[in-house]
Amino acid sequence: KAGVTQTPRYLIKTRGQQVTLSCSPISGHRSVSWYQQTPGQGLQFLFEYFSETQRNKGNFPGRFSGRQFSNSRSEMNVSTLELGDSALYLCASRHSGGQNTGELFFGEGSRLTVL
Amino acid sequence: GQQLNQSPQSMFIQEGEDVSMNCTSSSIFNTWLWYKQEPGEGPVLLIALYKAGELTSNGRLTAQFGITRKDSFLNISASIPSDVGIYFCAGRRNAGNMLTFGGGTRLMVKP
Repeated sequence: KAGVTQTPRYLIKTRGQQVTLSCSPISGHRSVSWYQQTPGQGLQFLFEYFSETQRNKGNFPGRFSGRQFSNSRSEMNVSTLELGDSALYLCASRHSGGQNTGELFFGEGSRLTVL
Repeated sequence: GQQLNQSPQSMFIQEGEDVSMNCTSSSIFNTWLWYKQEPGEGPVLLIALYKAGELTSNGRLTAQFGITRKDSFLNISASIPSDVGIYFCAGRRNAGNMLTFGGGTRLMVKP
């Protein structure tokens, strides 16, 4: 089975721009989550989607948004980029989210640098 | 910021030594997970724990879910150079995929 695929792997943006990151989950997985990883704050939960609906949201400003498509692929968007948005953005997929339905598997991440 | 306290922050050990790291929380979690992350990669799941008191092994790795549901530990026996990386604990309170992560333990192994 192919793993979680994230694109692009690396990108550089400037302050004020926006960015869209893409995630293709493991085949058959319907739940997709996004996490932000920075040296200072570590791994922090952004949001989770299941069947095209946002199921949970972390404590991030409204500039961070996401969506899920009918084929379970997901995108996240960050608008009006700030220097502090520089991070590794990780996507993770899971079969559904209930107990005993398998666990969360991460992609390799998209490394965003904001200049 | 993190709500899980993971220690130690880093360890530099000799190949063949055993390693122990742990995570503690002020609140209860219903699932504990341990991940390993290597440079340029995403976290890879090592062990998942679902019941208080549960002890689970995966090769040279052993992890336990604390009986208070507020802590977990991971042991690595007979470490080898490829064990190098950052180990993260993560807790989940309910159904869904919102995980709270510890700050990580950076493991370095001297051949």
